[in-house]
Amino acid sequence: EVQLVQSGAEVKKPGESLNISCKASGYSFTSYWIGWVRQMPGKGLEWMGIIYPSDSDTRYSPSFQGQVTISADKSISTAYLQWSSLKASDTAMYYCARNAYSGSNHPFQHWGQGTLVTVSS
Amino acid sequence: QSVLTQPPSASGTPGQRVTISCSGSSSNIGSNYVYWYQQFPGTAPKLLIYRNNQRPSGVPDRFSGSKSGTSASLAISGLRSEDEADYYCAAWDDSLSGAVFGGGTQLTVL
Repeated sequence: EVQLVQSGAEVKKPGESLNISCKASGYSFTSYWIGWVRQMPGKGLEWMGIIYPSDSDTRYSPSFQGQVTISADKSISTAYLQWSSLKASDTAMYYCARNAYSGSNHPFQHWGQGTLVTVSS
Repeated sequence: QSVLTQPPSASGTPGQRVTISCSGSSSNIGSNYVYWYQQFPGTAPKLLIYRNNQRPSGVPDRFSGSKSGTSASLAISGLRSEDEADYYCAAWDDSLSGAVFGGGTQLTVL
């Protein structure tokens, strides 16, 4: 069974850095693209980007390019979403998710439980 | 403004059939598969339909998907109160080299 288990909720101040994680199990981590989706309070889903853990090839939505960093450690089957300097507007629920098929051009099939990030002074 | 366009709301009475539309363009729906997700408040989205009209195991056959040209639809027949949720369509966009979502449709069972 595919499982994606995300790290816990975070409360941070503007300007702080943050790294949230997504531990994958139940499949070959290096065979599927895995990525992140943002959902701001009361809003819809936004595709942020994906990474192929086998070679760390990464694709970003233009909206998130340069704002976050997606990475993966294949030795521990874990993907990461990182901010170097948080803003209040980064307050949202963040979901990690795995592609439905092994190619990059497929939406997500499996989802993590979500990590709530709150940025407030 | 989402790349894929969905009605913000839909409603129906128990037992009815409702459809939710998703409109895109040649670079997304027109050339790639459409996926649909169901999301209840406070929970992660769940895959409902993949590759336009395929249901993952465990999804009731009351849910069906279709696609024509640059538009797609999700149909729910025999509507039940437990179907009250938000529904999102998604597709890969060749121009953006990324996936795109619709803005979501909040389904109310009256």
